[in-house]
Amino acid sequence: DAKTTQPPSMDCAEGRAANLPCNHSTISGNEYVYWYRQIHSQGPQYIIHGLKNNETNEMASLIITEDRKSSTLILPHATLRDTAVYYCIVRVGNPIYNQGGKLIFGQGTELSVKP
Amino acid sequence: DGGITQSPKYLFRKEGQNVTLSCEQNLNHDAMYWYRQDPGQGLRLIYYSQIVNDFQKGDIAEGYSVSREKKESFPLTVTSAQKNPTAFYLCASSIDVSGDYNEQFFGPGTRLTVL
Repeated sequence: DAKTTQPPSMDCAEGRAANLPCNHSTISGNEYVYWYRQIHSQGPQYIIHGLKNNETNEMASLIITEDRKSSTLILPHATLRDTAVYYCIVRVGNPIYNQGGKLIFGQGTELSVKP
Repeated sequence: DGGITQSPKYLFRKEGQNVTLSCEQNLNHDAMYWYRQDPGQGLRLIYYSQIVNDFQKGDIAEGYSVSREKKESFPLTVTSAQKNPTAFYLCASSIDVSGDYNEQFFGPGTRLTVL
């Protein structure tokens, strides 16, 4: 039972920003938001994670609302290679309470980047 | 190159046979995981291991067995007791499970088909 809700699919034009939303209204104070993506028939790839503050790395930006009930993953300039299923996951910070780092994957958002 | 290898990429077996899936990592990670993915679904945790000679059941351990005799290896055996073994199997590893941040690195996966 995933603790996040994501739209099943989204389209984005190549070169434009892709904004992928995620609702996690039952998130607890010590739970992190993680984003992974999975290109067809490959293993998932870590993108970014955050607790309260917005985060940015070379792949993406993560915007977390002040109440932490939702977040948005932003791919600033989407390319065709960004076409994948994107998973938003909440994970307890202290793995002792989460079966040693278990990631609970929902069904994710299938992002299609079109030329 | 550091990473996780899974072999083979495709595996076919007859119903009633046990089959062992290989997972090796040279990242010097303490923790290793096995996930199962069915078409159109997210990943579900089968087993995980936090340290050599220790492993724990995940959410769907029935019909599976594992061993962790070496730090770099975490083989998964799909037994004849597993009712629906046909799936995409993914192995992952992480540095450890003691920190707040625990990025998991995934292998390329093994697609098992039971005929």
